[in-house]
Amino acid sequence: KQEVTQIPAALSVPEGENLVLNCSFTDSAIYNLQWFRQDPGKGLTSLLLIQSSQREQTSGRLNASLDKSSGRSTLYIAASQPGDSATYLCAEAGGGADGLTFGKGTHLIIQP
Amino acid sequence: SAVISQKPSRDICQRGTSLTIQCQVDSQVTMMFWYRQQPGQSLTLIATANQGSEATYESGFVIDKFPISRPNLTFSTLTVSNMSPEDSSIYLCSVQPRPGETQYFGPGTRLLVL
Repeated sequence: KQEVTQIPAALSVPEGENLVLNCSFTDSAIYNLQWFRQDPGKGLTSLLLIQSSQREQTSGRLNASLDKSSGRSTLYIAASQPGDSATYLCAEAGGGADGLTFGKGTHLIIQP
Repeated sequence: SAVISQKPSRDICQRGTSLTIQCQVDSQVTMMFWYRQQPGQSLTLIATANQGSEATYESGFVIDKFPISRPNLTFSTLTVSNMSPEDSSIYLCSVQPRPGETQYFGPGTRLLVL
């Protein structure tokens, strides 16, 4: 059974800081990896999808990297804002038509 | 992207009863999945809803407890059968327009079993 681990479990930083969220996975045959955010009482919002053949993806202030050989992905958030406060989830798929294996998430608080 | 709706959005049920959750997407998609998020936990895949054939269940989930239908490429249902308080969770539907693409999630159904 594949596992996904996210560190740290919680993070609180002042507004404006750049920060990195970490994700590690055991699936050596990973197909792709997705980052989501989940706001309290809400569903999941997809942030970035990285295919196993890619090294990174960028969307606005977000940059996600993937190192398949080490089993790690990072989500970099630049110039953090209070609106970035949410739980960030990392999830991997072992195949193109597979469901996702999720990490437990990083609960992020950006202090105004 | 895809716009996904789920019904009901929330429900309170008595133990021993069953609840059917509906998932509707605004466009035809190849893959549909059902997940569970127990209180304070992350998401766990229940099954892949296959159009025109039986769903594919993950370890620990069985068809008798979680029967799934997928009659077409835009709709699926998940039934939680013979409910107990341990079934209290958020149940989420997700879709994948084509294999290898982004998975999009519905808003979830919040279930409380008394």
